[in-house]
Amino acid sequence: AQSVAQPEDQVNVAEGNPLTVKCTYSVSGNPYLFWYVQYPNRGLQFLLKYITGDNLVKGSYGFEAEFNKSQTSFHLKKPSALVSDSALYFCAVRDAASGNTPLVFGKGTRLSVIA
Amino acid sequence: GAVVSQHPSWVICKSGTSVKIECRSLDFQATTMFWYRQFPKQSLMLMATSNEGSKATYEQGVEKDKFLINHASLTLSTLTVTSAHPEDSSFYICSAPGLAGGRGFSETQYFGPGTRLLVL
Repeated sequence: AQSVAQPEDQVNVAEGNPLTVKCTYSVSGNPYLFWYVQYPNRGLQFLLKYITGDNLVKGSYGFEAEFNKSQTSFHLKKPSALVSDSALYFCAVRDAASGNTPLVFGKGTRLSVIA
Repeated sequence: GAVVSQHPSWVICKSGTSVKIECRSLDFQATTMFWYRQFPKQSLMLMATSNEGSKATYEQGVEKDKFLINHASLTLSTLTVTSAHPEDSSFYICSAPGLAGGRGFSETQYFGPGTRLLVL
């Protein structure tokens, strides 16, 4: 079975400081990993994904994530946080061999960037 | 990226009425769409997988007669909440894997903006 853990319900960071939102996963095969962001009363917006290749993935709005196979992690990072980054962030995974199947989501981490 | 729309964005209805929510892929064809439900401050719960031209696949615990899904074309899936009750009030989100402008396989799912349902 596939699963995703986001150990932090809430992350607070000062504007201009680096931010990290943690994610670990479990799949039986090779993972496809995703980060999405959700603003209030909105759907999910795709930020970035890891499919194969370079472990460091760069995405939208200056976000990046590093795939670490040995630690089964895919933490989301940004060098300098903005107040506008405040939102709910979801990590998601599915097995690469599972075809056109739905993603499995973590419970979400609320990021609050303080001016 | 590929665009998914949902209509309506807000619905307020009386208990006992049925509500239809549309999910459209605007710039790609989607043989598969997914319907999720999200409670306040919680993650997305997969309700069902909608397959074009065939019956939907429902997750355990989701009543298929309560939540009717129709995927009649490659760009439209509908979710009908039948005889809605206050406990059905929630945020419903659809998604589809897609490539803008094409029908090719994509690992990435794109989400609609969601529909907030309030049943009085």
